[in-house]
Amino acid sequence: KQEVTQIPAALSVPEGENLVLNCSFTDSAIYNLQWFRQDPGKGLTSLLLIQSSQREQTSGRLNASLDKSSGRSTLYIAASQPGDSATYLCAVRPRGGGGADGLTFGKGTHLIIQP
Amino acid sequence: GAVVSQHPSRVICKSGTSVKIECRSLDFQATTMFWYRQFPKQSLMLMATSNEGSKATYEQGVEKDKFLINHASLTLSTLTVTSAHPEDSSFYICSADRTGMNTEAFFGQGTRLTVV
Repeated sequence: KQEVTQIPAALSVPEGENLVLNCSFTDSAIYNLQWFRQDPGKGLTSLLLIQSSQREQTSGRLNASLDKSSGRSTLYIAASQPGDSATYLCAVRPRGGGGADGLTFGKGTHLIIQP
Repeated sequence: GAVVSQHPSRVICKSGTSVKIECRSLDFQATTMFWYRQFPKQSLMLMATSNEGSKATYEQGVEKDKFLINHASLTLSTLTVTSAHPEDSSFYICSADRTGMNTEAFFGQGTRLTVV
């Protein structure tokens, strides 16, 4: 059974810092991996999608990497801003269903950016 | 981007009653939608996979008679929590896949269900 772990569980840093959020998964047979942002009591906003054959994806100040063989992904946030404060979720989609199966999520990293 | 709309965002119901939650893909067709549940400080857990025109597939431990799923069209899936009890209080959220070469999941806003 796939398990997804996110470290750290919580992080509080001053504005302007660069930071790295970590995600690990136990089964490397994934179809893709997605990073999401969740604001309190709200839905999920897709940030980055990495296919199993890709090594990284970038969107603005966000960069996500994937090392499928070691079961790891990182989300790098550059020049953090107070508006980045949220819970960041990592989720993997299994390969077995040809991409048609649901996601397995980590518990998230609760990020606070101090003004 | 793809938009998934979920309603209601919050609902309070009495124990023993049923509650229906709707999930709509607004600007794309979704043959597959998913329903998740999230308890406080826990991961989102997949409850069931909803396929247009066929029966839903439930994850182990999810009661299919309690959580009725209907995917009547390519843009609408509904989750009905039947005979709700306080332990069913949770955050329910749906997702729809925009299929293609890069299957990407898009999520609704979620529904906070409180059973009193």
